[in-house]
Amino acid sequence: SQTIHQWPATLVQPVGSPLSLECTVEGTSNPNLYWYRQAAGRGLQLLFYSVGIGQISSEVPQNLSASRPQDRQFILSSKKLLLSDSGFYLCAWNGTPRNYGYTFGSGTRLTVV
Amino acid sequence: AQSVTQLGSHVSVSEGALVLLRCNYSSSVPPYLFWYVQYPNQGLQLLLKYTTGATLVKGINGFEAEFKKSETSFHLTKPSAHMSDAAEYFCAVSEPLELGNTPLVFGKGTRLSVIA
Repeated sequence: SQTIHQWPATLVQPVGSPLSLECTVEGTSNPNLYWYRQAAGRGLQLLFYSVGIGQISSEVPQNLSASRPQDRQFILSSKKLLLSDSGFYLCAWNGTPRNYGYTFGSGTRLTVV
Repeated sequence: AQSVTQLGSHVSVSEGALVLLRCNYSSSVPPYLFWYVQYPNQGLQLLLKYTTGATLVKGINGFEAEFKKSETSFHLTKPSAHMSDAAEYFCAVSEPLELGNTPLVFGKGTRLSVIA
């Protein structure tokens, strides 16, 4: 069966520090992978998605970046965090058929102080 | 471009009462539609989906939704609310499979409170 792992679960980081959040999927190959951010009262904001290794589409240009170094690994990064980067970050994947909904990870609560 | 509007950011119902969460969508092509539930500090869980076929779809935990093309709606209902239904609910829309890998577009969510 397919599973998605996301870590860490919570993170408190100072302003200006770097960020690395990791997401991996098991039990499937060539998944579509997604990073969403959820800020209070703002719903889900799509940040990045990837349809294959090294292929990243950015929906919101900002100080965040994403990489997909392996087929089932998706990393969200920042060189210098801002206060506005605080939020709940969710990784998701879907396989085949690709539009039959996503499976979400358990999320990372990031607080920038 | 596709979009989703969820009417009511917060809905409150009594335990045992009908739950109705509203979702309207905008899409230039026949859409795929989804409802997700999120409990505090957790990821989203798929409740149900409509792709093709029967317009009334049943999901987990006794929820169901009806796709109404003429009204561009996909409202979520449950006949009798339970305390455990208190959560945030998200409606989402996507293009059909054959049109590519367009990401899901989510509504802003509706927080459901259940009063004892």
